[in-house]
Amino acid sequence: AQTVTQSQPEMSVQEAETVTLSCTYDTSESDYYLFWYKQPPSRQMILVIRQEAYKQQNATENRFSVNFQKAAKSFSLKISDSQLGDAAMYFCAHVRAGSYQLTFGKGTKLSVIP
Amino acid sequence: DAGVTQSPTHLIKTRGQQVTLRCSPISGHKSVSWYQQVLGQGPQFIFQYYEKEERGRGNFPDRFSARQFPNYSSELNVNALLLGDSALYLCASSLDTNTEAFFGQGTRLTVV
Repeated sequence: AQTVTQSQPEMSVQEAETVTLSCTYDTSESDYYLFWYKQPPSRQMILVIRQEAYKQQNATENRFSVNFQKAAKSFSLKISDSQLGDAAMYFCAHVRAGSYQLTFGKGTKLSVIP
Repeated sequence: DAGVTQSPTHLIKTRGQQVTLRCSPISGHKSVSWYQQVLGQGPQFIFQYYEKEERGRGNFPDRFSARQFPNYSSELNVNALLLGDSALYLCASSLDTNTEAFFGQGTRLTVV
């Protein structure tokens, strides 16, 4: 079974600054995918960024980037130039290749201070 | 294109009652998954359906059941509701494995 751990229940960042959210996971699979989802108060989960385990290069999407350390089973999210609209719950998730079943962490609540 | 739509958005039920939640996937998506998100927690996998067949089931009691229709929409049924079933129920659709799961806005179920 897979587990995903987010050790930071809450984080805050000043607008325009950079923040890093942590995630570790445990899996016996060699082929899998990792995701960061954002859940604003509107409740809808929105994909922020995705990483294929077989790729060594860290994924980036505009202001969002990850630090994927496969051996350490670590997958952190870095948000650069934080904006007020980034305030939300952020969930790290894992899925093994060939499966639809996502395993989520408990989430990190990010606040952005003007 | 319409995203994943869920209905109703909010629901209040009494203990012991039964509830049916509905989900319409993105056009062309044949996979639908259901998740339960209790307040303060991450979503927990309940069921996954592909081409009207159950392909995965999470660690939930038999009071939870689901089905998928020929048009790929899905229903989640919960019988004999307990207070602990109060949660946000999320539906997600996918085009294929290894691709992005798109989520609906969820149904907030309150059991009193």
